[in-house]
Amino acid sequence: GENVEQHPSTLSVQEGDSAVIKCTYSDSASNYFPWYKQELGKGPQLIIDIRSNVGEKKDQRIAVTLNKTAKHFSLHITETQPEDSAVYFCAATLNAGKSTFGDGTTLTVKP
Amino acid sequence: DVKVTQSSRYLVKRTGEKVFLECVQDMDHENMFWYRQDPGLGLRLIYFSYDVKMKEKGDIPEGYSVSREKKERFSLILESASTNQTSMYLCASSFDRGLAYNSPLHFGNGTRLTVT
Repeated sequence: GENVEQHPSTLSVQEGDSAVIKCTYSDSASNYFPWYKQELGKGPQLIIDIRSNVGEKKDQRIAVTLNKTAKHFSLHITETQPEDSAVYFCAATLNAGKSTFGDGTTLTVKP
Repeated sequence: DVKVTQSSRYLVKRTGEKVFLECVQDMDHENMFWYRQDPGLGLRLIYFSYDVKMKEKGDIPEGYSVSREKKERFSLILESASTNQTSMYLCASSFDRGLAYNSPLHFGNGTRLTVT
């Protein structure tokens, strides 16, 4: 089955700096790569996603890049703010919504 | 906005009890999922369902079963709870747009189950 590795497990940045989280996946048939943000006491929420026919996608301060050949994808957050502090999960999806998740990255943005 | 509601926020059960975790979604989604979340292990898929009365095993189905009698409701059942099932349980749903097109998951806020 699919295997997703996510790095780093913890990330601490100063407010205004950029943050990058990286994931690799094993199954080249995966075609959908969402990123979720989980705040304390809540379930994960989608923040951005990318499909296998696209190399990059941007939404304001958040961007995701996908390298299908190398089987890795990354989340980039620019101009970080304290409210960006949360746990972030990447996922790789093979079919019908069945996603395999990375282990999560705890991002702390220091004011 | 899609709403996925899990009936209990916190549950404390004893070893050997039969436990029911309930999940309801209000957006007519075809797909529903149960994940468990443990520190450092991410989210692991227990069971999922693409339609009423249909179920498929995920990656860690042992010790669990599910029921989907209505489209909006998906129940996770622990037949005989054990201490290693102490965890956060997350229900999710998504649209089914065909095998070639995946949709994002919409999660509930979780049920933290403690088995003593």
